[in-house]
Amino acid sequence: GNSVTQMEGPVTLSEEAFLTINCTYTATGYPSLFWYVQYPGEGLQLLLKATKADDKGSNKGFEATYRKETTSFHLEKGSVQVSDSAVYFCALSDMEPDNFNKFYFGSGTKLNVKP
Amino acid sequence: DTGVSQDPRHKITKRGQNVTFRCDPISEHNRLYWYRQTLGQGPEFLTYFQNEAQLEKSRLLSDRFSAERPKGSFSTLEIQRTEQGDSAMYLCASSLGREETQYFGPGTRLLVL
Repeated sequence: GNSVTQMEGPVTLSEEAFLTINCTYTATGYPSLFWYVQYPGEGLQLLLKATKADDKGSNKGFEATYRKETTSFHLEKGSVQVSDSAVYFCALSDMEPDNFNKFYFGSGTKLNVKP
Repeated sequence: DTGVSQDPRHKITKRGQNVTFRCDPISEHNRLYWYRQTLGQGPEFLTYFQNEAQLEKSRLLSDRFSAERPKGSFSTLEIQRTEQGDSAMYLCASSLGREETQYFGPGTRLLVL
């Protein structure tokens, strides 16, 4: 079946530190991979995505590369800011038989960035 | 702001009461999804609509849950005879055609006392 595993949080970093949040997946087909971010009291916002192996998604200084050989989609940022404090969700999207994209989410990783 | 709105944002109810939530997707989006998110977990899929047709329901969606999308625009999710275990954030998302990206609303946080 399909599933996503993320590193447990919280992750606490100082401002300008390097960030890595690990994400690995199990999929039966050829999924697309996503990172969503959730700020306190808000819904999920798309951060970046990649639709096939070796694709790199990037946005707002965040990057993640779709690695089929290691079934991973780790999120990285070179220099985090206090405003990056949020919960980050890794997800995969796989086509179901009745032709819709079903999302499978990881459990989320909370990031705290201290000034 | 993704353009998906949900109402109410918060709901407190007593066990056994019925509650109804509304979702307004991005206007041109024909696909609509409901998810449930419990504390410390990622969203879990509940159900999916393409236009007005409900095409997929999760096993998580017990008989007490019903969802509608009568005109292919807004959707409602009703929970009958609420239980404490129903306490969660209920998220709505929408997408357009075969586009994979789903756009989420702010959610409705339900607390059942």
